[in-house]
Amino acid sequence: DSGVTQTPKHLITATGQRVTLRCSPRSGDLSVYWYQQSLDQGLQFLIQYYNGEERAKGNILERFSAQQFPDLHSELNLSSLELGDSALYFCASGDSPSNTEAFFGQGTRLTVV
Amino acid sequence: TQLLEQSPQFLSIQEGENLTVYCNSSSVFSSLQWYRQEPGEGPVLLVTVVTGGEVKKLKRLTFQFGDARKDSSLHITAAQPGDTGLYLCAGNSGGGADGLTFGKGTHLIIQP
Repeated sequence: DSGVTQTPKHLITATGQRVTLRCSPRSGDLSVYWYQQSLDQGLQFLIQYYNGEERAKGNILERFSAQQFPDLHSELNLSSLELGDSALYFCASGDSPSNTEAFFGQGTRLTVV
Repeated sequence: TQLLEQSPQFLSIQEGENLTVYCNSSSVFSSLQWYRQEPGEGPVLLVTVVTGGEVKKLKRLTFQFGDARKDSSLHITAAQPGDTGLYLCAGNSGGGADGLTFGKGTHLIIQP
């Protein structure tokens, strides 16, 4: 158990809909990272938050957004969903913005139908 | 764009054999990590290498970072069925502010 909690574990939704994925980092970790894993692209970095502030952006679509709350939990919002958004979404946490050792949650499997 | 190429993509061997998987890039990384991922689970960090030429051992697993910090290898001695999984290498260009760049992984199957 990494100490990172993600909910829900599975999500099935229709095209055009909006969903919110939730992540609680390990106790004491201030950094939260979001990654998308698909069969053809592998693990892709989406966005990082550190202590409530956006720190870095990766390959995140404009239809996607995230935030980190004062209690350090984070949410990833995916809107206008397309079939191609079906993937595993992972949250990872770390103890500082410069230490890249990341501890991953079990992921949310999103299926868009 | 920094890319990490992992090889082989798939590897199936018998229990007790030795194996090496590779992670290569044309870019320099300030650190490189190896993760193992099992189906339905998130990646689990195995090791971080930072210094060029560094070698780290974790029981039967030996990790090496290339002298130029562009490549890495993972060697498993006397593989066991419990070593089965997806092995991912991930690099960071520096500062931690860009997230990690992951390779697509090596799918390893150890047959009893």
